[in-house]
Amino acid sequence: DGGITQSPKYLFRKEGQNVTLSCEQNLNHDAMYWYRQDPGQGLRLIYYSQIVNDFQKGDIAEGYSVSREKKESFPLTVTSAQKNPTAFYLCASGTGDSNQPQHFGDGTRLSIL
Amino acid sequence: GQNIDQPTEMTATEGAIVQINCTYQTSGFNGLFWYQQHAGEAPTFLSYNVLDGLEEKGRFSSFLSRSKGYSYLLLKELQMKDSASYLCAVRGSGGSYIPTFGRGTSLIVHP
Repeated sequence: DGGITQSPKYLFRKEGQNVTLSCEQNLNHDAMYWYRQDPGQGLRLIYYSQIVNDFQKGDIAEGYSVSREKKESFPLTVTSAQKNPTAFYLCASGTGDSNQPQHFGDGTRLSIL
Repeated sequence: GQNIDQPTEMTATEGAIVQINCTYQTSGFNGLFWYQQHAGEAPTFLSYNVLDGLEEKGRFSSFLSRSKGYSYLLLKELQMKDSASYLCAVRGSGGSYIPTFGRGTSLIVHP
């Protein structure tokens, strides 16, 4: 079955530590996205990539970094510069066509130790 | 900029009908999406509107008025499993077609 897989489901970060969230898709989608979701908030865009080896900052990119070396993979690193990283992180993929919805992974919940 | 408003929370009774509204102000318009999200899970796609009018899909329907910057999601014959957050997302202008999400409406269905 085609889908989008995020891992781990739960992640804990120590002060000063960088952590990487994995996102893999086998839907053959060109576009991939990372969102952050806080309680009572909508999804806020961190980074997106419309093609391999290219990515763009979203609305809240500070303290995060990404790479897109393969079409299937779009890992997100939460760096120590992100002072409030506790949140639910959602990865999505899509064809990039305006009338097509995004497909979401099951999310990673990141907490601070 | 983009601004999308939805009610924060709604409650309804099992078997009833509920309407969740979404108003938006965006730079251009290229479609509106509704997603359902159960707590701690991935959002799942419900509907897409790009032209004015009503789109019906089983128990769920979605309406769009572009001139009013307004949409609603109508849920009929409510079931307990419909308790979830409902997200409105709008695609504005620009080549990236990335939607902007509202804060979501938490729907609580009680017996």
